[in-house]
Amino acid sequence: GDSVTQMEGPVTLSEEAFLTINCTYTATGYPSLFWYVQYPGEGLQLLLKATKADDKGSNKGFEATYRKETTSFHLEKGSVQVSDSAVYFCALSLGGSYIPTFGRGTSLIVHP
Amino acid sequence: NAGVTQTPKFQVLKTGQSMTLQCAQDMNHNSMYWYRQDPGMGLRLIYYSASEGTTDKGEVPNGYNVSRLNKREFSLRLESAAPSQTSVYFCASSSHRYEQYFGPGTRLTVT
Repeated sequence: GDSVTQMEGPVTLSEEAFLTINCTYTATGYPSLFWYVQYPGEGLQLLLKATKADDKGSNKGFEATYRKETTSFHLEKGSVQVSDSAVYFCALSLGGSYIPTFGRGTSLIVHP
Repeated sequence: NAGVTQTPKFQVLKTGQSMTLQCAQDMNHNSMYWYRQDPGMGLRLIYYSASEGTTDKGEVPNGYNVSRLNKREFSLRLESAAPSQTSVYFCASSSHRYEQYFGPGTRLTVT
C-alpha cells in the first residue's frame, strides 16, 4: 500500500540554523505531495504542496521539491525561528483515493 | 469564512456516557473526515464521507458512528465512551481528493 516515511524527531535547532526534514514516499501512481504544520494546541494547516514531479512548493520561507526519481519531498528552510517550533507532517494524495496518507509527524524545537 | 469549526473544544466524559462531536465547514467541500491523534501514533482515520449521503470506515472505526447531516456538517458519535477513546479528535474537509483543511480539534478525556 501507499506510505509516507518521515525522519523521527524531535529535531532540535538553534535560531537561524538550516532545517531539513526528510520525507520519502511509496505510491502506486503519481501522487500529489503536501507538508502540513501543527502548532501547539491547534489543528493541522497546509504549509505547501506540489502536484507533479520537479514542482517546488514554497511558503513562509519553507520549500520542498517533488523528486520522482528518489520518491522524496524533503522540507527545508534556510533560517528557522523560534516561532517555527511545531510538528510537521508529510502527506500524499492519489487521484484514485479519497483517503490521504500521512507520515507520523516530526517535532521541531527551535531554541533562541 | 470560518473554514472548519468543531464543537466542543474540550470534553470530559465518564466511562459509558455518550456524546456527539460536531463539525461544520463553509468551503463547499464534498469530502469530510474524522481523525484521532494520540501521542506517538500520528493521525488515524476513524470515518470519512466522500460526498453528501455516503460514509465509510477508516482505520479505527470501532466504538464510533458518524452522520453526514448535509454537505456542511459531519458529526461523530461515541455511544458508550471508554478510556481508550481519550484523544484529540480532528475534523477535516477536502475538495475532490486535494489538500485537507482541519478544524481546531476536540480534546476528549474519558475517566
